[in-house]
Amino acid sequence: AQSVAQPEDQVNVAEGNPLTVKCTYSVSGNPYLFWYVQYPNRGLQFLLKYITGDNLVKGSYGFEAEFNKSQTSFHLKKPSALVSDSALYFCAVRGRSGYSTLTFGKGTMLLVSP
Amino acid sequence: EAGVTQFPSHSVIEKGQTVTLRCDPISGHDNLYWYRRVMGKEIKFLLHFVKESKQDESGMPNNRFLAERTGGTYSTLKVQPAELEDSGVYFCASSQASGVQETQYFGPGTRLLVL
Repeated sequence: AQSVAQPEDQVNVAEGNPLTVKCTYSVSGNPYLFWYVQYPNRGLQFLLKYITGDNLVKGSYGFEAEFNKSQTSFHLKKPSALVSDSALYFCAVRGRSGYSTLTFGKGTMLLVSP
Repeated sequence: EAGVTQFPSHSVIEKGQTVTLRCDPISGHDNLYWYRRVMGKEIKFLLHFVKESKQDESGMPNNRFLAERTGGTYSTLKVQPAELEDSGVYFCASSQASGVQETQYFGPGTRLLVL
């Protein structure tokens, strides 16, 4: 069975500082990895995904994520946080065989203070 | 291009009542998924349609939940009779491709509260 862990319920960062939202996964074989963001009273928005190739993936709104196979991690990063980045972030994994179901983590609330 | 839409945005019903949620996927997307997030927990898979066929319904919690996708366009998810533990946010997602290139795009969700 596949699983995702987001160890932090909340991450606090000051505007302008770098941010990291952590994600580790467990899946048979090589994974497809995704980050989604949910702004207040909105649906899930796709941010970025890792399929293969470069371990550093760039996505929307200046976010990027680094795939680390040995640590089974896919941490989300941004060099300089904005107050508008405050939202709920979900990491998800999908295996390369079988059904295309996404397995999500519990989500991490990111709060960026002015 | 319109995104995935869901109706209603919110629903408050009493235990024992019936509720029907609707999802309109992005036009041309054959794959349609239903997920649910109970307060503070993971978003969990419910089922997957490919066109009008159920590809995977392993996440459906019990037979009080019935999903349909007649004609392979919009989908409905009916809960009958609703129980307190059914409260949560129900998300619909759709995708065009399968395999490596697949990205699921989500709707805004329906917030269901069963009293």
